[in-house]
Amino acid sequence: EVQLVESGGGLVQPGGSLRLSCAASGFTFSNYGMSWVRQAPGKGLEWISYISSSSSTIYYADSVKGRFTISRDNAKNSLYLQMNSLRAEDTAVYYCAGGYISGWSYWGQGTLVTVSS
Amino acid sequence: EIVLTQSPATLSLSPGERATLSCRASQSVSNYLAWYQQKPGQAPRLLIYDASNRATGIPARFSGSGSGTDFTLTISTLEPEDFAVYYCQQRSNWPRTFGQGTKVEIK
Repeated sequence: EVQLVESGGGLVQPGGSLRLSCAASGFTFSNYGMSWVRQAPGKGLEWISYISSSSSTIYYADSVKGRFTISRDNAKNSLYLQMNSLRAEDTAVYYCAGGYISGWSYWGQGTLVTVSS
Repeated sequence: EIVLTQSPATLSLSPGERATLSCRASQSVSNYLAWYQQKPGQAPRLLIYDASNRATGIPARFSGSGSGTDFTLTISTLEPEDFAVYYCQQRSNWPRTFGQGTKVEIK
């Protein structure tokens, strides 16, 4: 069974940092590009970052560029998102997602990040 | 950035009826469009990829069509479990973008 399990969310003050993790199992993690997608409370989906299977290609949405860093460790079947300089508008449920390039079949259950003083 | 505009925002229908959801792109995305279903408190689920291909395990009542800038997701006969929010998403360009969603609610 394919599983993606996010962790690391929580309450953080504006300007603070958090590191999200996504543990993968049930599929060959090292074969797939992975993304982070977030959803603010009551809002739609927003793609924020992508990393290729070998980490050679990385993309960010403008909304997080320069503040967030995506990485992965294929030996540990894990995906990461380092989030710095957090703002109130970064408050959201963060999902890791992946699968074939044509569509993301694999999604985690999400982890909530709340940025508030 | 490619903007995806979904319509209508809300679709009020009864079980057994047909649902037709639209997604329009601000520029051509060829057939590089996917549809996702999301229920409250759950992660999105891939329904359709590359405009018209059903993902694994997706019932045949879900179908997708279109190319270029205009796309449609059709649910031929609504089942109770189909009432949810549906998003389109393009993979033609970076950044990947989603539509704002269409909520299919029970009338």
